[in-house]
Amino acid sequence: DGGITQSPKYLFRKEGQNVTLSCEQNLNHDAMYWYRQDPGQGLRLIYYSQIVNDFQKGDIAEGYSVSREKKESFPLTVTSAQKNPTAFYLCASGHRGLKNIQYFGAGTRLSVL
Amino acid sequence: AQKITQTQPGMFVQEKEAVTLDCTYDTSDPSYGLFWYKQPSSGEMIFLIYQGSYDQQNATEGRYSLNFQKARKSANLVISASQLGDSAMYFCAMREITSGTYKYIFGTGTRLKVLA
Repeated sequence: DGGITQSPKYLFRKEGQNVTLSCEQNLNHDAMYWYRQDPGQGLRLIYYSQIVNDFQKGDIAEGYSVSREKKESFPLTVTSAQKNPTAFYLCASGHRGLKNIQYFGAGTRLSVL
Repeated sequence: AQKITQTQPGMFVQEKEAVTLDCTYDTSDPSYGLFWYKQPSSGEMIFLIYQGSYDQQNATEGRYSLNFQKARKSANLVISASQLGDSAMYFCAMREITSGTYKYIFGTGTRLKVLA
């Protein structure tokens, strides 16, 4: 089945620990995105990538890092510098173009121990 | 200033009736897109409907239609014949081009509850 797979579904982070959230897509989309959602809030853009080996910071990139070594994969690392990481993280992908619909994965819920 | 505004934090609708969820936007980009997504309690975001800024007709997808009023900068979602499964959060989003790349901006959402 074509789609976007995020793993794990739930993740726990200890103080001072870096954790990596996985996002894989088999839709042949060029663009991929990471969003953060806090309770009762909309989505805020963390990072995005339009092509392989290139990515840009979104509105809340501090404390996060990404890589885009393959078209299919766009992992997000939540570093120890992110002091308030508890949130729901959503990955999306889409074609580049005028009608650039974003399709989303099922999300990863990150909590701090 | 908010670029996407959803003024209704919560809405109730009786099953089988129609409901309108409001969305206003602000952009100086002449070429933009407007989207609606549904987020059930499970968390995934489901694409519902798209309207391009140059589209002459309002978009429709099954029971969903988008009431696009360009001069008023509004893009309201209309759900006809509401079903219990329509209970969810609904987000309006706008895609605009910033420095040559597409970026999406989301509203804060409206929680819809369909009553039996």
